[in-house]
Parts: sequence; C-alpha cells; structure tokens
Amino acid sequence: DTAVSQTPKYLVTQMGNDKSIKCEQNLGHDTMYWYKQDSKKFLKIMFSYNNKELIINETVPNRFSPKSPDKAHLNLHINSLELGDSAVYFCASSQVQMGNEKLFFGSGTQLSVL
Amino acid sequence: GEDVEQSLFLSVREGDSSVINCTYTDSSSTYLYWYKQEPGAGLQLLTYIFSNMDMKQDQRLTVLLNKKDKHLSLRIADTQTGDSAIYFCAESDNAGKSTFGDGTTLTVKP
Repeated sequence: DTAVSQTPKYLVTQMGNDKSIKCEQNLGHDTMYWYKQDSKKFLKIMFSYNNKELIINETVPNRFSPKSPDKAHLNLHINSLELGDSAVYFCASSQVQMGNEKLFFGSGTQLSVL
Repeated sequence: GEDVEQSLFLSVREGDSSVINCTYTDSSSTYLYWYKQEPGAGLQLLTYIFSNMDMKQDQRLTVLLNKKDKHLSLRIADTQTGDSAIYFCAESDNAGKSTFGDGTTLTVKP
C-alpha cells in the first residue's frame, strides 16, 4: 500500500482553467503539506494542515486553495491557471514529535500549463 | 528567516566516497535531515540527526554535524550508480517546521 498517494500523476491543461490535485495518506499522520518544486528542482512549502486546520500558508496566490475534508486527505484546487504554475506539486505528511518532522512524500503531480 | 545552503552539483566515480555538504543559519534547529530524490519520484527520507549529536552512521551513510559552525555533511561510502539522485538537506525548528536546501545533484560515473 502506498503511504502517501496523489492523483493525477500528470496534468496538462490550458491557461485559465481550474484544476484539482488530490492527496491521501494512510499513515495516520496528523499533519499534511503541499510543496511546489520548480524546473530547477528547488522545493518550497505552500501549505500545511494539522488535523484539518491550516497552520502554514506561505506566500501563495489566493488562486490556490487547499481543502482538508479529514486528516487523511488534503486536496489542492487551483483557479485560473497561469503558465508560471507549471511545476511538480508534492503532497507530504508527517507526525511531528518534539520538533522531529520526518516527512513522507507522494510521488508528485507534474502540472503543465499551456 | 532560516536559510539552508548546499552546493548544486557533485560528480564522483563509482566506488569512491561522496561527501555532500550543507550549512544552515537557524540556531534553534532541533533536527537535521537528508532526503534523496530519484528521477520522477518524491523525496525519500534517508537519515536524520538530533542537534545535540555530532555523528550518526547507518550502513554506507555517515552524517556529521558541527553545531558550532552550523555545518552538516552526508558521506556515502562506496558510491554506486544507484546513488545518483538529488540530495536535499533540511532542518526543523522547535515547532517542527522544515526548511529545505536547494538540493545537490549527485552524478556517479562508472
């Protein structure tokens, strides 16, 4: 069983469209995240949720809206897609214990905006 | 804010040792991590070290931490072609929030 699974793996769409990426973890972790990896492989945190509550919201356009229906799921909806949104988006989860944040990553969603 | 820096590229010959270096600025770092990313995959936690330790060994991997200089290194002994990947250094603070370096691409030549 895959610990952190996200769908779809590839997403090709036109500028201006709205799209969603789904993520599920079966590790029983309390915290879930979305990261963005650009073409240079630099990794930046976008959001994190703890028990369905938003705890980190980095400088991300409000076209990006995360939703956590329960602590095992964290979805990412993107409105009015732009060319600069093309990247690989990673979902991750962790069970933070005394400052130890071991992250478990999904395999990524490669988003291409044309 | 916190900053984590690492060199972007490293190339070694198969069988040699690889040493990937990382520096960080956050004095309140509690844990430091090394993640590996293979092509087309997500990041995978390789190893981590608590900030009051100075060394951790796990099979071919040795992590060295110099807390005074805020310097972390990952040594891979007997490097194999399967070790070719991007290696990310990361640190977490007391709240457990992680900051990642920009990754070091390790190329292993036969």
